[in-house]
Amino acid sequence: GNSVTQMEGPVTLSEEAFLTINCTYTATGYPSLFWYVQYPGEGLQLLLKATKADDKGSNKGFEATYRKETTSFHLEKGSVQVSDSAVYFCALSAGAGSYQLTFGKGTKLSVIP
Amino acid sequence: DAGVIQSPRHEVTEMGQEVTLRCKPISGHDYLFWYRQTMMRGLELLIYFNNNVPIDDSGMPEDRFSAKMPNASFSTLKIQPSEPRDSAVYFCASSHHGRGLNEQYFGPGTRLTVT
Repeated sequence: GNSVTQMEGPVTLSEEAFLTINCTYTATGYPSLFWYVQYPGEGLQLLLKATKADDKGSNKGFEATYRKETTSFHLEKGSVQVSDSAVYFCALSAGAGSYQLTFGKGTKLSVIP
Repeated sequence: DAGVIQSPRHEVTEMGQEVTLRCKPISGHDYLFWYRQTMMRGLELLIYFNNNVPIDDSGMPEDRFSAKMPNASFSTLKIQPSEPRDSAVYFCASSHHGRGLNEQYFGPGTRLTVT
């Protein structure tokens, strides 16, 4: 079956540091890949997505590249801010039009001034 | 536009009591999803609806759980009787078929505590 593995948290960084959150997946076929973000007390929000190999999703300074050869979709940001403190979830779906989202366990990021 | 609305935000109840969680999806969205989030199991899809019709309830843990969607703007998730192991955050999400089912918009969640 499909599964998503992301790095254990929590992650604590100083403001303006570089962020990487690792995500690898197992899936049959050609899944779509996502990063969702959950701010304290809120629901999940779609941060970025990629639907085919070598696609790069980007939003709000965050980026992730769909690497089929390494089955990875690592999240990166060059300079984090305190406002980026949240829980980040990597997720996949079996493909365009699929209803099923399989989520990783989430990685909590804390950014300190 | 208003996002997905859930109520209550917090619910504390005693074991054996009935619990009803409510959700109002984004207007115009034709898919609605119920998820449960726990530390141990992460996010799990419980059930989803299309045009008010339940499509897949294979994630519903047991018969104590039921969900309805009487119209396009309202859905409920009911647990009867509740048990301590049902304590979790329950999320409702909605999406529109034109944007792909995997672009889901989540509500703020209901934190349920069963004592």
